[in-house]
Amino acid sequence: DARVTQTPRDKVTEMGQEVTMRCQPILGHNTVFWYRQTMMQGLELLAYFRNRAPLDDSGMPKDRFSAEMPDATLATLKIQPSEPRDSAVYFCASATGGTTGELFFGEGSRLTVL
Amino acid sequence: GQNIDQPTEMTATEGAIVQINCTYQTSGFNGLFWYQQHAGEAPTFLSYNVLDGLEEKGRFSSFLSRSKGYSYLLLKELQMKDSASYLCAVSDANNRKLIWGLGTSLAVNP
Repeated sequence: DARVTQTPRDKVTEMGQEVTMRCQPILGHNTVFWYRQTMMQGLELLAYFRNRAPLDDSGMPKDRFSAEMPDATLATLKIQPSEPRDSAVYFCASATGGTTGELFFGEGSRLTVL
Repeated sequence: GQNIDQPTEMTATEGAIVQINCTYQTSGFNGLFWYQQHAGEAPTFLSYNVLDGLEEKGRFSSFLSRSKGYSYLLLKELQMKDSASYLCAVSDANNRKLIWGLGTSLAVNP
């Protein structure tokens, strides 16, 4: 059963600490997205990659966030230093890159920054 | 600007029919999606419309009018398990970025 895998599922950390979230997209999917979800803002696109190349990271605060895709099976989202306002659920999603654009979401990483 | 509007909350009764509306204003259009998200879980794909009209899939149907910038999701024979948030999203024409609504939280009561 193919699915997107994310780690960690839950993370509690203190302000100023580095946080790294990892995502394994579905095998064969060439498009990977990082989203942040909060009650107030809903789903916000942070970054996305196609064939491992970053296509758009305009939604990501560049001073503290970075997203990479070191290989086709791993995408990472790093926050350094973390702040309380970064508390949210972070979702990774993958897609085949076809025109219908159905996204397959991972279960999310719930981040709490104290 | 880009904007997607949908009601924040709706309530319906088990066995009934409910229609969740979505209006959008985007600079481009390459299709409209509906996703379902249960509390504490990931969004899952429900439907995709790119042409005007109604797409039916079991108990769920989705309608699109591109000229009106309007879509609705119709849920028939409601079940308790349909209690969830329903997210409307529009795909940008150029780069397939999805612009998301904040979601409609549907509560199905017995």
